[in-house]
Amino acid sequence: DTEVTQTPKHLVMGMTNKKSLKCEQHMGHRAMYWYKQKAKKPPELMFVYSYEKLSINESVPSRFSPECPNSSLLNLHLHALQPEDSALYLCASSQEGGNEKLFFGSGTQLSVL
Amino acid sequence: ILNVEQSPQSLHVQEGDSTNFTCSFPSSNFYALHWYRWETAKSPEALFVMTLNGDEKKKGRISATLNTKEGYSYLYIKGSQPEDSATYLCASTSGTYKYIFGTGTRLKVLA
Repeated sequence: DTEVTQTPKHLVMGMTNKKSLKCEQHMGHRAMYWYKQKAKKPPELMFVYSYEKLSINESVPSRFSPECPNSSLLNLHLHALQPEDSALYLCASSQEGGNEKLFFGSGTQLSVL
Repeated sequence: ILNVEQSPQSLHVQEGDSTNFTCSFPSSNFYALHWYRWETAKSPEALFVMTLNGDEKKKGRISATLNTKEGYSYLYIKGSQPEDSATYLCASTSGTYKYIFGTGTRLKVLA
């Protein structure tokens, strides 16, 4: 199984809502990532978990809260988002970092109204 | 170069044409250069990971080269086919979990 599964595929939420994005992999990868991508921009790193511990937070606003309940699961909790947070959110995993290739999910397209 | 830059941003070629794109990256603290293919409505998929100066990798009709001293990589597609239509992303890493992506080259192969 070389898949990274993300749910939901699409999400529309209001600025006062709380929602969560989910990501799952069963490849035994020890690193999991959240990226944000806006149209015609590069994927932008948000968070990295390594061995279930948060190892990188790229100064992401606290309205985004990551969680890694176990080595296969990665969540992104969303609260009080702004319309400018509308984007494609990609999850990825890798065995380690650096020269290990990333395996991506197909993303969650988020719209904040 | 401080960021990862790709050119051109988009490209239309005829079926059967060969084409190439460029990825420029910071040459200081370089560890690895990745290429990914991203088809519409699918997940980005790794093509190559290269680490050594002068590296060349090949997968079918697609190949890539790496120059770490001057900070660039080329991706070549020989005899483009409509199924090659996708966005091609490169990413540079400095040995940590921080993969920095370029904006991508959007390739459209016309039948």
